[in-house]
Amino acid sequence: GAVVSQHPSRVICKSGTSVKIECRSLDFQATTMFWYRQFPKQSLMLMATSNEGSKATYEQGVEKDKFLINHASLTLSTLTVTSAHPEDSSFYICSADEEDRGPYNEQFFGPGTRLTVL
Amino acid sequence: LAKTTQPISMDSYEGQEVNITCSHNNIATNDYITWYQQFPSQGPRFIIQGYKTKVTNEVASLFIPADRKSSTLSLPRVSLSDTAVYYCLVAQLNRDDKIIFGKGTRLHILP
Repeated sequence: GAVVSQHPSRVICKSGTSVKIECRSLDFQATTMFWYRQFPKQSLMLMATSNEGSKATYEQGVEKDKFLINHASLTLSTLTVTSAHPEDSSFYICSADEEDRGPYNEQFFGPGTRLTVL
Repeated sequence: LAKTTQPISMDSYEGQEVNITCSHNNIATNDYITWYQQFPSQGPRFIIQGYKTKVTNEVASLFIPADRKSSTLSLPRVSLSDTAVYYCLVAQLNRDDKIIFGKGTRLHILP
């Protein structure tokens, strides 16, 4: 199946700094990628839809100026958490939809990035 | 997007068959039913998908009654490594459609 990677897998930063998380589709092209956030013992919460070559679409309640999304190519989307605070500490997961689908309509998820803001 | 309802948690023992039922009363004609599995600190992984009747693959079976208002994920002979959260999703899943996750079912397999 298609593979989605994320980098870094884990990051610790100081409050007030910015952190960039990369999401790559390794063996397929993705015009659309999705970013989720997951707090401990909770479900995944969709943050935004990342569209290649255009602005991201943010879900209600997600601050677009705080969570900057750039989808510069068909295989790379980045999420930048600006001026991070401890409440931004979470598990961030991306997903992508393969261009040439197999028999199922499925999205492929990255392994996630654990962000800890001190 | 159809809302789904699943048990919050379930316990079972190794070697047992586990059935997790999901209710989706507002499922639309073009909606598919998809199940994902998530281990701690990992991204979700696709398990199975179906539209109606029964679907089986190497890891699970999915039973969907004629009215499609519910579905049951069946895991045969579970092992400790099946301990995870299982999400039932209902959506048309046109390419590039977003997925909204429900609360999922936390399955705990005991030795």
